[in-house]
Amino acid sequence: DVKVTQSSRYLVKRTGEKVFLECVQDMDHENMFWYRQDPGLGLRLIYFSYDVKMKEKGDIPEGYSVSREKKERFSLILESASTNQTSMYLCASSLVRNYEQYFGPGTRLTVT
Amino acid sequence: LAKTTQPISMDSYEGQEVNITCSHNNIATNDYITWYQQFPSQGPRFIIQGYKTKVTNEVASLFIPADRKSSTLSLPRVSLSDTAVYYCLLYGGSQGNLIFGKGTKLSVKP
Repeated sequence: DVKVTQSSRYLVKRTGEKVFLECVQDMDHENMFWYRQDPGLGLRLIYFSYDVKMKEKGDIPEGYSVSREKKERFSLILESASTNQTSMYLCASSLVRNYEQYFGPGTRLTVT
Repeated sequence: LAKTTQPISMDSYEGQEVNITCSHNNIATNDYITWYQQFPSQGPRFIIQGYKTKVTNEVASLFIPADRKSSTLSLPRVSLSDTAVYYCLLYGGSQGNLIFGKGTKLSVKP
């Protein structure tokens, strides 16, 4: 079974803090994705990566950056957290680029 | 850029067939249509994927007309455990065209 794990289920940070959200997958998938999920808006793609050290912007990259130093790990970074980044963050990975994505359980981030 | 539209919510009763439609008028040639199911406090889970015509697996069927401007997820004989949010996704595998719908909340009643 594919397993995608995220470093925290719940996180509370203060405005202006630098925040790291970690995602690890154990199935040697090349493709990894970061989404945020908000009520009424569904899932929106922040960044994705098709290979180590490679990244591409999604629909809402502003205020975020990512890092992929190893194939199994994809990190989302909030350089200076703001209250409008309070959200559920979901990581996913896939073997084939446009086929089944396996999602982690999500991190609910609250920025106060 | 393609956009998807789904009903916000649907109600059904146990044992009924449920059809959820996703509209995507501007679907790109390379886009595949994928449906996901999400339970509270969990990440979405893959249900089915198709490009055109009909696809069936052990849990659902996916109907895509020839013009591909919509797709219908069909869940046969739903049970209470099918209560969840269902998302359609368009994705061709290339940058800038991964579009999730806003989800349909399905409530199955006894």
